[in-house]
Amino acid sequence: GAVVSQHPSWVICKSGTSVKIECRSLDFQATTMFWYRQFPKQSLMLMATSNEGSKATYEQGVEKDKFLINHASLTLSTLTVTSAHPEDSSFYICSARSRGSSTDTQYFGPGTRLTVL
Amino acid sequence: GQNIDQPTEMTATEGAIVQINCTYQTSGFNGLFWYQQHAGEAPTFLSYNVLDGLEEKGRFSSFLSRSKGYSYLLLKELQMKDSASYLCALYNFNKFYFGSGTKLNVKP
Repeated sequence: GAVVSQHPSWVICKSGTSVKIECRSLDFQATTMFWYRQFPKQSLMLMATSNEGSKATYEQGVEKDKFLINHASLTLSTLTVTSAHPEDSSFYICSARSRGSSTDTQYFGPGTRLTVL
Repeated sequence: GQNIDQPTEMTATEGAIVQINCTYQTSGFNGLFWYQQHAGEAPTFLSYNVLDGLEEKGRFSSFLSRSKGYSYLLLKELQMKDSASYLCALYNFNKFYFGSGTKLNVKP
């Protein structure tokens, strides 16, 4: 089946620093990747939709200058949390939609737990 | 918004059958999906419905009624490993909108 990886699986950083999270589709080409954020005991909240070679589309209320998304290839998308603050501490999950997929499902990465001190 | 509602938590016994409901208020969508999520892990796909009716997939089945704004996930022959959160999600215009999830506790 389709496999999506994320790196790092967890990160602890100081307030004010920037953190980059990578999302890779390992055995398929992903035309579209999604970035979600999940706070404890809450559901996944879509942050942005990333299409290869074009600018990401951000959901309402998500600051595009704070959460920089780059989708440089069909297998890699990155999310950079700039000037992270404690309130940005969360579980960040990416997902990828397979190119030419017969269904509209998406495959999730294992997630990255970010803790900002 | 999509106003997707699910019960917060449910408890069931190993070997039993449990039904997890999902109601929503939206004018239209392409499909309704169900995902399983264990604590600290990413969601995994279980089932989806595009048309009204029942979709069966092993021990898991999902049902959709668009006219009633209602879906459910049915889990049969419950196993301890089924203890997890179950997320209902609407798929619309290339985006997924998730409900808050139902935490299922399976007891021996």
